[in-house]
Amino acid sequence: DTGVSQNPRHKITKRGQNVTFRCDPISEHNRLYWYRQTLGQGPEFLTYFQNEAQLEKSRLLSDRFSAERPKGSFSTLEIQRTEQGDSAMYLCASSPGTQNTEAFFGQGTRLTVV
Amino acid sequence: DQQVKQNSPSLSVQEGRISILNCDYTNSMFDYFLWYKKYPAEGPTFLISISSIKDKNEDGRFTVFLNKSAKHLSLHIVPSQPGDSAVYFCAATSDYKLSFGAGTTVTVRA
Repeated sequence: DTGVSQNPRHKITKRGQNVTFRCDPISEHNRLYWYRQTLGQGPEFLTYFQNEAQLEKSRLLSDRFSAERPKGSFSTLEIQRTEQGDSAMYLCASSPGTQNTEAFFGQGTRLTVV
Repeated sequence: DQQVKQNSPSLSVQEGRISILNCDYTNSMFDYFLWYKKYPAEGPTFLISISSIKDKNEDGRFTVFLNKSAKHLSLHIVPSQPGDSAVYFCAATSDYKLSFGAGTTVTVRA
C-alpha cells in the first residue's frame, strides 16, 4: 500500500495524559500536513512541513501540541496534557512539492479523551 | 472565519438522478478548488479539482463548475449511484493549505 498511513487508528486516553500519533506520507511527497476534524465540521489546518522544515503552524495549535518531521520522512504529532476538547479525528496528508496539486489523506487517528 | 461554506448539510437523491452540491467561498485569493469524498471512519479521498483559470472540469460522472464572479462552485454527479452515498467536502487553496467547508452528506436512494 503506497498511500498515507497513520497510526494508531484509534486512541482513548485519560485527561492529562500525553499522546503521540505517527504519519507516514507517500514516499515521493515532500509536503506533509496535519489537520483536525471535529463532528459536523470540515478538516481544519494545523501545521505544514516542507521536507523536514515546519513552515506554518495554525493558531489552533496550542503550546501543548508539537509536530516533528525528522529527516523529511514520517511525522509525529504529540499532544501533552490532553483535554476533553482535544477529542477529534487527526488527519495527516501529503502532496508533491508543486503548486495546485491535490493532497492525499490518511485514514486518520480518532482521539477520545475521557 | 469560515472562508468556504457548504450551506446544505444533506442531500437525498434517487439512484440514476443528478446530484448537485454547492459551495461558496469568500477569499478572492483562492485559485484552486477541490472536492473530497469521505466515508465514515476513513480519511477524505480526492475526487476532482479545478483551477481558477477554468470554469468547468469533467471526470467521468463528476463535473465541477466554477463561477469566479459569484465565488461559487458546484459538483454534479450524473448518474448518482448507491456507492456515492458519503460526505462531500469542498476545499479551496491559494498556496498549500486547504480550507474546507463543513460538508454535505449525500444519500442515494435505490
